[in-house]
Amino acid sequence: DAKTTQPTSMDCAEGRAANLPCNHSTISGNEYVYWYRQIHSQGPQYIIHGLKNNETNEMASLIITEDRKSSTLILPHATLRDTAVYYCIVIQTSYDKVIFGPGTSLSVIP
Amino acid sequence: DSGVTQTPKHLITATGQRVTLRCSPRSGDLSVYWYQQSLDQGLQFLIQYYNGEERAKGNILERFSAQQFPDLHSELNLSSLELGDSALYFCASSARVRSSDTQYFGPGTRLTVL
Repeated sequence: DAKTTQPTSMDCAEGRAANLPCNHSTISGNEYVYWYRQIHSQGPQYIIHGLKNNETNEMASLIITEDRKSSTLILPHATLRDTAVYYCIVIQTSYDKVIFGPGTSLSVIP
Repeated sequence: DSGVTQTPKHLITATGQRVTLRCSPRSGDLSVYWYQQSLDQGLQFLIQYYNGEERAKGNILERFSAQQFPDLHSELNLSSLELGDSALYFCASSARVRSSDTQYFGPGTRLTVL
C-alpha cells in the first residue's frame, strides 16, 4: 500500500501558486519524499525530492514539516501545462520498491 | 525528453499471444524498472534490474518475464496474453541500484489485447 495520502483532485487558477499537500504520517528517518507528475498518458516526470530540509529547483518548491509527517509541493506560477496527476511518494534510501498511490489530479484553469 | 526510449509505442495483439517490449535506459544508468498502468490499477511496479541482475520484484505475473542485457537495455516479455493485460507499460531508469535514486521514465508502450 502507498504510504502517502493526497487529495483526489484540486483546481488552481493560471498564474497563481498551486499548493499540493501530502500526508506521510508513518514516514521513517531514512525515507525520502519524492514528487513526480504525469501529464495525460505520458511517462511520469520527476519534479523534486527531499529528506528533512525544504528544497527548491527550477520546477517547484518542496516544504517538509519539522516532524516530517506532511509536505507541500508548490508550483509558484501554475500554467495550463502544469495540468497533470501529481504523485507524492516516500522511498527508503536502501533498496526498496516504489509504490505509487492514486495521486492528486491538478487542473489549472484559465 | 527523459533520455529513456521504449519501443514500440503501440502494440495491438490477440489473446493468447506473446509480445516483447523494449527499453533503452539513459546513458550511464544501470538500473531499469518496469511499471504497468491500467485504468483501474494505477501505476504498478513490476520488476527492477540492476546491471543485468534482478533486484526487486513487484506485482509481476508469472506469465511475464524480463531481462537486462549486457548493453543495459531491457526487455519485458508478456505471454499468454489476456484482455486484462491491456495497459500502458513504462520503463524507467536510474543511475544506481537504490530505488530512492531519481527515476527517469520513458514514454511508454500502449498494449491493446483484443
